[in-house]
Amino acid sequence: QVQLQESGPGLVKPSGTLSLTCAVSGGSISSSNWWSWVRQPPGKGLEWIGEIYHSGSTNYNPSLKSRVTISVDKSKNQFSLKLSSVTAADTAVYYCARAIIAAAGPFDYWGQGTLVTVSS
Amino acid sequence: SYELTQPPSVSVSPGQTARITCSGDALPKQYAYWYQQKPGQAPVLVIYKDSERPSGIPERFSGSSSGTTVTLTISGVQAEDEADYYCQSADSSGTVVFGGGTKLTVL
Repeated sequence: QVQLQESGPGLVKPSGTLSLTCAVSGGSISSSNWWSWVRQPPGKGLEWIGEIYHSGSTNYNPSLKSRVTISVDKSKNQFSLKLSSVTAADTAVYYCARAIIAAAGPFDYWGQGTLVTVSS
Repeated sequence: SYELTQPPSVSVSPGQTARITCSGDALPKQYAYWYQQKPGQAPVLVIYKDSERPSGIPERFSGSSSGTTVTLTISGVQAEDEADYYCQSADSSGTVVFGGGTKLTVL
């Protein structure tokens, strides 16, 4: 049973950088899957941020591409998200998820989500 | 940018059939997936490849596709099915896109 667990600061200052890590257990991050970040502002819908393959290949949402970096650490079986120049609009629950079948989904395993608030 | 359009809300009585639609120009060429999300929980995949049901998902959940519209059907709706439902697909460049979500209310 694959499990994903997000971790990172719950509060980030405006103009700062949001940094989160997703630890994968019960499976290898080097399997034939893409690994994604998805966010959900309070009371709103889901927004895909981007994805990474264990080789380091990445795809990003064009609307966030200039501010997003996703990286992988195979030795620790985890992947990470960095979102720069954050504003209040980046306040959201951030999920990590595994894509099965193809890079574009579907997402069969999700982390529980972590709330990140952007505020001074 | 590419969009998937869902109705904001659908209401049905217990035992009835709920149908939630999702429209998008690329749907004839890209698979659609459906997720159920209950308050405070992560989404759960309920339909993949337009109409396939993952193991563990009740048979009352089904999916279909016709042209630029895909439909999630829940037959014999139960109180526990009350949740937000999201469709997901990809645009022509492979960028993942989610629909805006539909709140299913069981009356």
